[in-house]
This record gives sequence, structure tokens and C-alpha cells, in this order.
Amino acid sequence: NAGVTQTPKFQVLKTGQSMTLQCAQDMNHNSMYWYRQDPGMGLRLIYYSASEGTTDKGEVPNGYNVSRLNKREFSLRLESAAPSQTSVYFCASSEAVGQPQHFGDGTRLSIL
Amino acid sequence: SQQGEEDPQALSIQEGENATMNCSYKTSINNLQWYRQNSGRGLVHLILIRSNEREKHSGRLRVTLDTSKKSSSLLITASRAADTASYFCATDDTGGFKTIFGAGTRLFVKA
Repeated sequence: NAGVTQTPKFQVLKTGQSMTLQCAQDMNHNSMYWYRQDPGMGLRLIYYSASEGTTDKGEVPNGYNVSRLNKREFSLRLESAAPSQTSVYFCASSEAVGQPQHFGDGTRLSIL
Repeated sequence: SQQGEEDPQALSIQEGENATMNCSYKTSINNLQWYRQNSGRGLVHLILIRSNEREKHSGRLRVTLDTSKKSSSLLITASRAADTASYFCATDDTGGFKTIFGAGTRLFVKA
């Protein structure tokens, strides 16, 4: 069972470059999420999609955009990367908002 | 700002001992969840307790919830080296649609 798959696993960018992080789930979940995890800060919600066709801002949305491409896929885009966006990014999905979330193994992103 | 705050930040115990982690939160909640994260991996869901429940068990895990004190505890009994991980509480407040995670407790179980 693949669960939640994130690509790429690692990426190094230069300041100002753009990039899209991909996420796909095979559990037929309605809700999907993007988090960032910084040392000692736990996870902070960037954007979420409660259901296909909807997206909403989380706690730290500035500098990011998302697309819920279909029920399976939820992408996160950095239009102009900044060093402050160096982090580990996690995608997650759940049957519905408030239900247990299943996580991918993360994308480790460094911006120089 | 984060909703859940775990205590302690780090905990080191011997294999076979019990480990207790605490979580405090600020607003009214629908439910509270506990997750585990092994180094370099994503979070794994452990247990969900609803606001009208006071205690829940799952294998060696025992979770309590005290809504009057806005706090929860996670007890891992007879710990094993494989329990070494970070543990996070997460709350879904009644006012929104977001799950908010705390900063986590790092547990180290010595064999």
C-alpha cells in the first residue's frame, strides 16, 4: 500500500527559483493538507483542501500556492523561493477534516 | 500560534519503564489526537479521543482527556527501544476546520 506519496524527497533551490511539490494519495480520502516542519516548532499548516474543488489557507500560507488537481493529488507551489522557506514539507490526507491523517515521508527543501 | 503544547520537551527512560507525556491546549475542541514520528519519517496516527471521552486505550497506549483543564496525557506502558520517537498532540477546535499540532515530546528509550 503506497498511502501518501510525495515527490521529490530532497531538493535544493536558489533564492528566487520556483518549484512545485507533488503529493498523491491512493486511499480515496476527501481531505488533503500541506504542512511545514521546522526544528522545535512542530507542524504548521500551510494550506488544506477539505474536499475536491476547495482549498483554504492555514496558519502560514504566505509565499505558497496550492492546487487540488483531482481527488488524489494536491500540489504545493513556491513561486519565488526564499531562505525562510527552507524546511521539511509534509503532505497528509484524511477521510474528512478532523479525522486521523495519513502522512507522506516529507520533502526536504533547502533554499540557498 | 500553536494550540497544543507538549510537556516535557524531551524524556529519556529505560526499556520497560512507563513514559508519560502531557499536552495542554487553549480553546474548546472536538477531539484530540496523538501522533508518533520516527526520525526522518512522516507522522503516524496513534489514537483519537473525542471531547466527550475521558480515557481511551490502544495496546500499550493509554490516553486521558480533561476538558475542564484543557489537557491530555499519553501513557506508554512497558516501553521498548522501538518506542524511541517524537510524539505530538493535535487538536481540532470547534471553531474551524484545522488540526493544530504541538511542538512534540522527544522520547528516548534506552535498551
